[in-house]
Amino acid sequence: GAVVSQHPSWVICKSGTSVKIECRSLDFQATTMFWYRQFPKQSLMLMATSNEGSKATYEQGVEKDKFLINHASLTLSTLTVTSAHPEDSSFYICSARDVRTAVETQYFGPGTRLLVL
Amino acid sequence: GENVEQHPSTLSVQEGDSAVIKCTYSDSASNYFPWYKQELGKRPQLIIDIRSNVGEKKDQRIAVTLNKTAKHFSLHITETQPEDSAVYFCAASIWGFSGGYNKLIFGAGTRLAVHP
Repeated sequence: GAVVSQHPSWVICKSGTSVKIECRSLDFQATTMFWYRQFPKQSLMLMATSNEGSKATYEQGVEKDKFLINHASLTLSTLTVTSAHPEDSSFYICSARDVRTAVETQYFGPGTRLLVL
Repeated sequence: GENVEQHPSTLSVQEGDSAVIKCTYSDSASNYFPWYKQELGKRPQLIIDIRSNVGEKKDQRIAVTLNKTAKHFSLHITETQPEDSAVYFCAASIWGFSGGYNKLIFGAGTRLAVHP
């Protein structure tokens, strides 16, 4: 149980285009999903927290107009990188918490590798 | 702000030896401490976690200890095997006031290499 999927697994795009990444909880419902960014050989940096049915909460320094988050259902959250630039190239990973449990355990998706040319 | 410090950044051991990774956290209200293992290019996998009402937890070759007074916790891997080679991240939960939820702050990671 507690499987999280992400799509796509990798994407290459031109500078200035927008990219949408989907995060799904496959066998559980997740009221809260988290979006992280990980640069090579670095740790996971929380970008924002996605709450079903409400606006996302962004971490300090993360532009909410550039990284659009939508959490329309208990099993799906999307991250859209708008007007992507080379510096946005990174490994984007989502995680989800199971509403059935009271603990804070986060289950991670497989990640999306974004390369902006 | 809240942070989690992790040491060492790299650790090299011989197969069969033990490995210890240490983390300290700053927020005294933190009450949940997971450890994740991440292999190259893959997702972080939860390997063990501990809550603040417990001082130690063990799962086969892996154990975690927590000292709330000192605000530090450690991962212990015994009888290491080459397949234990990966990057290990510790994390501590903090309360996200604006959203009303707990979020995780991650340490910088430890690259463990187990040599045959």
